[in-house]
Amino acid sequence: DTAVSQTPKYLVTQMGNDKSIKCEQNLGHDTMYWYKQDSKKFLKIMFSYNNKELIINETVPNRFSPKSPDKAHLNLHINSLELGDSAVYFCASSPLAGAADTQYFGPGTRLTVL
Amino acid sequence: RKEVEQDPGPFNVPEGATVAFNCTYSNSASQSFFWYRQDCRKEPKLLMSVYSSGNEDGRFTAQLNRASQYISLLIRDSKLSDSATYLCVVRAGGTSYGKLTFGQGTILTVHP
Repeated sequence: DTAVSQTPKYLVTQMGNDKSIKCEQNLGHDTMYWYKQDSKKFLKIMFSYNNKELIINETVPNRFSPKSPDKAHLNLHINSLELGDSAVYFCASSPLAGAADTQYFGPGTRLTVL
Repeated sequence: RKEVEQDPGPFNVPEGATVAFNCTYSNSASQSFFWYRQDCRKEPKLLMSVYSSGNEDGRFTAQLNRASQYISLLIRDSKLSDSATYLCVVRAGGTSYGKLTFGQGTILTVHP
């Protein structure tokens, strides 16, 4: 009955590889997000989708490409991984995009680039 | 200047103590304010929203001062289970589409 789930939970890979992280929410929410939490614990938004449409795209290298096949899923594909991509990536969802609704976070994917 | 600034701590307090965290934000157009809690190696979870008039939820009291762009969280009668990182979170107004800006977090450790 997990509300927001992510796979994989841990990802260890070499520099230069391409990897994907998947996110699914079963809350019926319209809006989903990707956040990155770096080693200094700052949590920063990367992307947001509302009903499969991209609505927030922060200054993120274009090696990062989100894809939303339907409003319950938001996947993150990363090309040519770099050392600095090592972080915890959190997916989140909320009922609406513009309201001050609670955002529900997934458990995170800990990415380590060697 | 960071958009949301918090004292990272750590705060080490005994059980039963009262502890207060402060946060300042730089965008005067910010509309919504929250405190999230993040346990070690876990995801952030909403602790409480912060309203202009101040609000209380059990042992937790949140205050907002829009003129000073300042938010606070007071925890009374601290429990061991309150040990976590407390994140100050701000949402800008306008067409922000739910974008939240997080502070670095304040680490709290409650000891016996």
